[in-house]
Amino acid sequence: EDKVVQSPLSLVVHEGDTVTLNCSYEVTNFRSLLWYKQEKKAPTFLFMLTSSGIEKKSGRLSSILDKKELFSILNITATQTGDSAIYLCAVLYNQGGKLIFGQGTELSVKP
Amino acid sequence: DGGITQSPKYLFRKEGQNVTLSCEQNLNHDAMYWYRQDPGQGLRLIYYSQIVNDFQKGDIAEGYSVSREKKESFPLTVTSAQKNPTAFYLCASSATDTSSYEQYFGPGTRLTVT
Repeated sequence: EDKVVQSPLSLVVHEGDTVTLNCSYEVTNFRSLLWYKQEKKAPTFLFMLTSSGIEKKSGRLSSILDKKELFSILNITATQTGDSAIYLCAVLYNQGGKLIFGQGTELSVKP
Repeated sequence: DGGITQSPKYLFRKEGQNVTLSCEQNLNHDAMYWYRQDPGQGLRLIYYSQIVNDFQKGDIAEGYSVSREKKESFPLTVTSAQKNPTAFYLCASSATDTSSYEQYFGPGTRLTVT
């Protein structure tokens, strides 16, 4: 059975800390891996990773995919309270645009 | 402004009643999706539709039904057969060309059944 597993499930840090969120997957017909941030309601798109070893960056956030070991990490440097959210990892299937999500990591950044 | 709207934001129903959640998009996307989110379980796919008048069951379709009569609209009915309907429901849409499968989400509907 296909699955996506995120760790840790929750994390509490202080402003300025650096965090690493993990996402491992076992999915047949893998196309890409996506990261989303969910603050209160709608998840918002962060990154889509298709190729191994190529880091994607957006400000203090970065992510990389390892297709050999079947995992991805999302790094957040110099965390701020506005980074507090649930971070969702999802794998896109090769056909049909269907996504399978992990459980999410709930990040709380304290002042 | 392009986007996805869901209504209502909060919905309360008595057990045994069917309820329909609305999802509308003006992004000109062919594909639309319904997810359910429970605490600690991430998002689980209920139904999805790649094109008008066609839809497929997701991982947890039992107790739900959908229709796709228009490209812009993909309503979800939570029937009385759904054993545990209280949850946060998210609708999403995406293009279907292979370069752009990113899904855009609506603001969600929180359904409480008592």
